[in-house]
Amino acid sequence: AQSVTQLDSHVSVSEGTPVLLRCNYSSSYSPSLFWYVQHPNKGLQLLLKYTSAATLVKGINGFEAEFKKSETSFHLTKPSAHMSDAAEYFCVVTGSNTGFQKLVFGTGTRLLVSP
Amino acid sequence: DTAVSQTPKYLVTQMGNDKSIKCEQNLGHDTMYWYKQDSKKFLKIMFSYNNKELIINETVPNRFSPKSPDKAHLNLHINSLELGDSAVYFCASSFPTSYNEQFFGPGTRLTVL
Repeated sequence: AQSVTQLDSHVSVSEGTPVLLRCNYSSSYSPSLFWYVQHPNKGLQLLLKYTSAATLVKGINGFEAEFKKSETSFHLTKPSAHMSDAAEYFCVVTGSNTGFQKLVFGTGTRLLVSP
Repeated sequence: DTAVSQTPKYLVTQMGNDKSIKCEQNLGHDTMYWYKQDSKKFLKIMFSYNNKELIINETVPNRFSPKSPDKAHLNLHINSLELGDSAVYFCASSFPTSYNEQFFGPGTRLTVL
């Protein structure tokens, strides 16, 4: 079975400062891991994904995440926050022995960016 | 061009009514999904279809019945609506294997009064 824990329900940063959103996962299979972003009243957009290639994954809008198997973590970072980054971020794990995908979402982290 | 579209965007209805939400994707994907997002923003999968066949059916009341007339469409019909069904429902699609990105629709906000 898979599960995801997002350690912070809210993270507040100032514009121009670094962003760190934390995620730990549990998976019975080789996991694929994703970060999705949801802006207010919008659908979900993929930021980046890890699929057993490079452990440091670069995504859109300057975000990146590092897969650390020993720590079962997949934290999302960005060197410098922008006001437009304010949104809800979801860490997601998937993996199965059936070949079919079933995404398991974390509870989300709301990123607040102040001027 | 819209990749995954849902209709309607908003749905307000009375308890006990029956309603449907439609989803279409033009990405050529084989697999489609329905998710429910509750008031706390928690997202949970409800159903998944691959080439019109049901492959994931989570613990969802029988009042919810998905239908896939072809692999580009996945509709959700809900009978006897209850207050607890109020949520945002997202449709998504992907190629089937675990490492493929899922593309999400804009969501349908269902409010049951």
